Amino acid sequence: AQKVTQAQTEISVVEKEDVTLDCVYETRDTTYYLFWYKQPPSGELVFLIRRNSFDEQNEISGRYSWNFQKSTSSFNFTITASQVVDSAVYFCALCSMDSSYKLIFGSGTRLLVRP
Amino acid sequence: DTGVSQNPRHKITKRGQNVTFRCDPISEHNRLYWYRQTLGQGPEFLTYFQNEAQLEKSRLLSDRFSAERPKGSFSTLEIQRTEQGDSAMYLCASSLEPGTRSEQYFGPGTRLTVT
Repeated sequence: AQKVTQAQTEISVVEKEDVTLDCVYETRDTTYYLFWYKQPPSGELVFLIRRNSFDEQNEISGRYSWNFQKSTSSFNFTITASQVVDSAVYFCALCSMDSSYKLIFGSGTRLLVRP
Repeated sequence: DTGVSQNPRHKITKRGQNVTFRCDPISEHNRLYWYRQTLGQGPEFLTYFQNEAQLEKSRLLSDRFSAERPKGSFSTLEIQRTEQGDSAMYLCASSLEPGTRSEQYFGPGTRLTVT
């Protein structure tokens, strides 16, 4: 069975601090995809990034960066110099061909960035 | 392209009533997914369509739930004889043919409250 664990329920930081959101996953599939989504107070899930299991290269996009490590089954998300607008719930998710590409979500991490 | 849209955004109904939600996916996307999200949890898969064919249903989808996607365009999700436990956010997502472009784009959701 596939599973995604986000152990951090809630994180509170002061603006301009760096923050890392942890994600650990379980799957027996050799080909799979990992995702991060942002859910602001408005409720709509916003796609942030997709990573393929065969590509362990880390990625940076502006203030966002992602660290994918197959050896530890982790796909962590770092926000550098956080801003109040980053306040949201962040979900890590997993899918694979063997699971019909349906997304398996973690329980989410609520990030509060205080001014 | 206006993204995934869902209607209504909010629905309040009395227990025992039937409700129907609509989802309009991104036009070129042939996959359409329904998820349910309860407070403090990540979304959970309900069902998905490849074009007009419904290919998988979760055990969460009791026989009171039915989904359709006529002509492979918009989709409807109907809940018959609603129960208080059906109160949740119902999310629709669409994607291209999965694989290297498997990211799903979500609509704003329909929040159902059963009184």
